[in-house]
Amino acid sequence: DTAVSQTPKYLVTQMGNDKSIKCEQNLGHDTMYWYKQDSKKFLKIMFSYNNKELIINETVPNRFSPKSPDKAHLNLHINSLELGDSAVYFCASSRGPHSNQPQHFGDGTRLSIL
Amino acid sequence: AQTVTQSQPEMSVQEAETVTLSCTYDTSESDYYLFWYKQPPSRQMILVIRQEAYKQQNATENRFSVNFQKAAKSFSLKISDSQLGDAAMYFCANSPYNTDKLIFGTGTRLQVFP
Repeated sequence: DTAVSQTPKYLVTQMGNDKSIKCEQNLGHDTMYWYKQDSKKFLKIMFSYNNKELIINETVPNRFSPKSPDKAHLNLHINSLELGDSAVYFCASSRGPHSNQPQHFGDGTRLSIL
Repeated sequence: AQTVTQSQPEMSVQEAETVTLSCTYDTSESDYYLFWYKQPPSRQMILVIRQEAYKQQNATENRFSVNFQKAAKSFSLKISDSQLGDAAMYFCANSPYNTDKLIFGTGTRLQVFP
């Protein structure tokens, strides 16, 4: 039983294209997140949603648009992909703010822009 | 701004020996959580151990323990009886109580030699 699942695991595409990464969690958590890990392994939060409502938006370009159809899903759509978007994107979930319960991560999606 | 610093880009240890990974952080929050995550080559982000800042007692999980010095804003991870499977990137993270986002350090790559 995969707790947080992301698809696809690998995504290779050309500059200028639009792509989406899907994330689903079956933990019953209220909050979901997207993190970006760059080539130097640095992890930084991009967005968080709590019960389908945007909570955190860390000055991410407008080309990135998260969508949460329900609290078990948080998808990431990226328009007009650029070379600098190449990274590993991690989805995570937790019970929510003010909780001492940790975030559970998906296996990541490696996005490579040609 | 909240920051997390891991001053050791790489560490190595011999199997069965003990190793300590350093982490310092800077925060103006009075309530927060601290975490160590492990990322093996498989790319998963696995929670190793967590600590609530209001608890003075150091957290322990089997062979993993922390030395939490709140006044010094230090949160080191000690791995006892190191195993080959402990080889991975280790990330220290801080999560302010009121925001729920994880602020990561730059990671320490741990090698374990037989």
